[in-house]
Amino acid sequence: AQKVTQAQTEISVVEKEDVTLDCVYETRDTTYYLFWYKQPPSGELVFLIRRNSFDEQNEISGRYSWNFQKSTSSFNFTITASQVVDSAVYFCALTVYGQNFVFGPGTRLSVLP
Amino acid sequence: DTGVSQNPRHKITKRGQNVTFRCDPISEHNRLYWYRQTLGQGPEFLTYFQNEAQLEKSRLLSDRFSAERPKGSFSTLEIQRTEQGDSAMYLCASSYYGTSGGYEQFFGPGTRLTVL
Repeated sequence: AQKVTQAQTEISVVEKEDVTLDCVYETRDTTYYLFWYKQPPSGELVFLIRRNSFDEQNEISGRYSWNFQKSTSSFNFTITASQVVDSAVYFCALTVYGQNFVFGPGTRLSVLP
Repeated sequence: DTGVSQNPRHKITKRGQNVTFRCDPISEHNRLYWYRQTLGQGPEFLTYFQNEAQLEKSRLLSDRFSAERPKGSFSTLEIQRTEQGDSAMYLCASSYYGTSGGYEQFFGPGTRLTVL
């Protein structure tokens, strides 16, 4: 069975601070896919990134970066120079064959002006 | 493309009534998923379709829940004899799965169900 843990329930930062959201996953499969989604106050989940288990290269997209480490089963998400618009709930998710997606409980990020 | 749409956006019903929700996926997407999300939790997988075939159902999906995707286009989720515990946001997502993979899901705005 797959499992995703996001130990940080809520994080508050002041605008322009960097913040890292943690994600730890469990799976016995060697091929799997990891995702991050953003759920702003409006409620609609927004896809941010997909990472395959065989590609451990870290990725940067603007102020967002992702650190995938198979050795620690972690897929952490860092926002650099946070902005108020980054305030949302962020979910990490895992799927093995694109069938049953397992989501973590989410981390609520509040960026204060 | 207007993205994934769901109707209605809100539904209030009395315990014991039947409700039906509709999801229209992104047109070229062949996979469609249903999730349930309660306050403070992540989405919980309910079921998914590839084209018109329902390929997996969660144990969360009791006999009172049924989903269809006729002709592999829109999908409906019906809950019979609703219970107060069914109150939640019901999310639909779609994705395109092809030979190169591609499991990214795109979500609709959800249908919020309140059972009185």
